Amino acid sequence: DAKTTQPNSMESNEEEPVHLPCNHSTISGTDYIHWYRQLPSQGPEYVIHGLTSNVNNRMASLAIAEDRKSSTLILHRATLRDAAVYYCILRPALGGGSNYKLTFGKGTLLTVNP
Amino acid sequence: DAGVIQSPRHEVTEMGQEVTLRCKPISGHNSLFWYRQTMMRGLELLIYFNNNVPIDDSGMPEDRFSAKMPNASFSTLKIQPSEPRDSAVYFCASSFAHSPGGYTFGSGTRLTVV
Repeated sequence: DAKTTQPNSMESNEEEPVHLPCNHSTISGTDYIHWYRQLPSQGPEYVIHGLTSNVNNRMASLAIAEDRKSSTLILHRATLRDAAVYYCILRPALGGGSNYKLTFGKGTLLTVNP
Repeated sequence: DAGVIQSPRHEVTEMGQEVTLRCKPISGHNSLFWYRQTMMRGLELLIYFNNNVPIDDSGMPEDRFSAKMPNASFSTLKIQPSEPRDSAVYFCASSFAHSPGGYTFGSGTRLTVV
């Protein structure tokens, strides 16, 4: 499985933007970039995914580098509820042998200060 | 939709006893996944079903673990006999197969084997 590298932890202040980086230098041309987060005592929660273009949804934005070797999850105004572990995952495109697999790494623990 | 429903939320059992964890996926989803989370190993995929058929059980740790999906709305993960090292949080997730979108996870079952 293609690997991702994320900082172990990051800290932010409430109501400020947060940029969570992810490096995936071995990404293949058809890998999707997925982000999930896991709040304390809950299951992982899907946040956003993208392939080549930047993506926006109600939860966050995903900025993908032109060479696709890195991406950044952007939370525009952090709230206390955003404190969680954020996982960046590469998912092979449909038709691949293991296209269904989501392999979770250790993620980034985001702390939001009031 | 109520999301992915898992039961029980907590289970405490004695070593050697049989444990059955239950999952109801989101209606219409045709892929179902069982994950296990521990501090040491993080989130691990145990088994994957597509259209009620087990596709990949390579993550099942040993023969004491078995999973079934008798119909599209129900799956079980059974451990017999249970051991203290099986203590973990077990998550069920569902999704549309052949879609690049995200999985929906349940809230998990926290299993403690004493």
